This record gives sequence, structure tokens and C-alpha cells, in this order.
Amino acid sequence: SQQGEEDPQALSIQEGENATMNCSYKTSINNLQWYRQNSGRGLVHLILIRSNEREKHSGRLRVTLDTSKKSSSLLITASRAADTASYFCAPTGPGGYQKVTFGTGTKLQVIP
Amino acid sequence: DTEVTQTPKHLVMGMTNKKSLKCEQHMGHRAMYWYKQKAKKPPELMFVYSYEKLSINESVPSRFSPECPNSSLLNLHLHALQPEDSALYLCASSQPGQNYGYTFGSGTRLTVV
Repeated sequence: SQQGEEDPQALSIQEGENATMNCSYKTSINNLQWYRQNSGRGLVHLILIRSNEREKHSGRLRVTLDTSKKSSSLLITASRAADTASYFCAPTGPGGYQKVTFGTGTKLQVIP
Repeated sequence: DTEVTQTPKHLVMGMTNKKSLKCEQHMGHRAMYWYKQKAKKPPELMFVYSYEKLSINESVPSRFSPECPNSSLLNLHLHALQPEDSALYLCASSQPGQNYGYTFGSGTRLTVV
């Protein structure tokens, strides 16, 4: 298993703006997942992108994956106050499907 | 039903107590997980069950004892815990295999006094 490293650690934006957070990892992956966690709550699975995919969309979320650079980005468009949360990436390596591990996350604050 | 239900939501226990955390899902997922999360830290994997069998134990102290009585239920038995074990305990489930996301419960906030 491996751990992603998110950047930035914290991000504060105005409502309506876009938010971009990045994830880097070290070894080859089968997929990379993004999760959201509201304060003190469980994690919510947002999107999974497979290693042979370059971009994926889900509503206001856009995820890109560059396996040559071992990096991924999560873009949230037209942010809302309800998007305030911590966001974690989880790169999942070959045979590692059962060991999803999380980086330290990006704490996003959307100011109304 | 697309939820993972964890009970209790909050638990305060003494260091000599024995208690259990419960996790239930009815999505037909055959992999279930326990994570521990300390404040301002990411969740850390503790145990993985696959098809009701323990497949991964991340060197967790024996005062934490997991149990998977059936495909829908996962327990975490607690005994002789230390104050540093106070944390949010998260349960998750998924289909076994690659390319499946996890569904998390909302967690049990445990305080050891």
C-alpha cells in the first residue's frame, strides 16, 4: 500500500470560486480515489479514477490523473459553503485494494 | 440500503472496562474495515476482513479484538484500553477486489478515561 501526499494542506476560497487540490504518490497504482470528510464525521467516497484513465467528471468534480508524474488533481467548480471539509486522496497499488491508506489531506474552507 | 451503520456514536469507557463497537451494512459488501482516526490526522487502517475472514491486521495491539460474525456485521471488542486510544473509530465496507470505493460509517467517538 502507499500513501498519497496532498497539497496544499489548507485552502480558503470564496463561495463560487473553484478549488484545486493535488495529490502525489510514489509507486504504480491501479486506481486513485478521492474522499471527503466533514468535521468529525465519516468519509464519503467522491470519485475513483483508474490508472488507464486521464480525466473523470462527477457533477462539479473533475479529477485528472497523470501516471507519468505520479500525480492527481481534484477540481471543485463553483464551490459552495457546504463543500467545506477535508479532502483525502487514496492511491491504491496493485494487490493493494484492501489497504486503502490516506494522506494528511487538504482542508478546504469555503467562505460564504 | 446504501449505508454503513456504526453504534454507539459516542462511548466513554474506563481503562478496566470491556466494551464493543458495532458496524453493520446490508449492501452485500464482502470486505469490511476498521480505521482509527486521531484529531487532525488521516484515518489509519487497523483491520481488514474479506469474506468474513481476517486478512489484514496492521500490527494492532491485542487490546483491540475484531470479530466478523457474518457478512453484514463487524465488531471491535475493546479491553484494557489506554487514554491514548481515544479517537474516532471508523468502519467501512466495499466489494472485494480492485476498483471499488469504500462506504464509511459515521464513526464512534471513543474516549478512554
